[in-house]
Amino acid sequence: AQTVTQSQPEMSVQEAETVTLSCTYDTSESDYYLFWYKQPPSRQMILVIRQEAYKQQNATENRFSVNFQKAAKSFSLKISDSQLGDAAMYFCAPRNSGTYKYIFGTGTRLKVLA
Amino acid sequence: DTEVTQTPKHLVMGMTNKKSLKCEQHMGHRAMYWYKQKAKKPPELMFVYSYEKLSINESVPSRFSPECPNSSLLNLHLHALQPEDSALYLCASSPGDRTWNTEAFFGQGTRLTVV
Repeated sequence: AQTVTQSQPEMSVQEAETVTLSCTYDTSESDYYLFWYKQPPSRQMILVIRQEAYKQQNATENRFSVNFQKAAKSFSLKISDSQLGDAAMYFCAPRNSGTYKYIFGTGTRLKVLA
Repeated sequence: DTEVTQTPKHLVMGMTNKKSLKCEQHMGHRAMYWYKQKAKKPPELMFVYSYEKLSINESVPSRFSPECPNSSLLNLHLHALQPEDSALYLCASSPGDRTWNTEAFFGQGTRLTVV
């Protein structure tokens, strides 16, 4: 069985500060991809960043970056210079190579304080 | 065009009604998905179509009936639903051409209330 764990149901961050959201993916697969999605109150899932498990380099997309620890099966999402618009539910969603399934974690609600 | 369009945005139906949810994309994607999302929970996969054929059915009750008439359209037919089926129904699509590193694109969902 493959388990996705987001251990922080809720996090708060001051505007302009940095916050890290955790995600672990317990799998025996070696070829997989990890996606972080943001779901604001508007309901639409929006891709934030993706990480490929075979790549040593951590993914970076503007203020968003992944801290990938392969041995620990950990994919933390770091948000720098937090903005009010970052407030949303964040889901990590791994996908094994060769399957259509995206497996969603339980999510972390991020609040950004002005 | 990177949009997945879902209609209607809101739907209220009685337990004896028959209704359909519609999803459309024009990105040339060949995999399309239905997810169900309850409040404060992650999306749960219901169905996946790949090249217009049903590829995954996550043991969904038969009162939900998916249909993929062509590569751009995905429907979810609803019949004899229960109040506990009230949820946000999300449609998504992905390339489906074995590019496993690509994300799924999501629509804004249909908020369904069964009364």
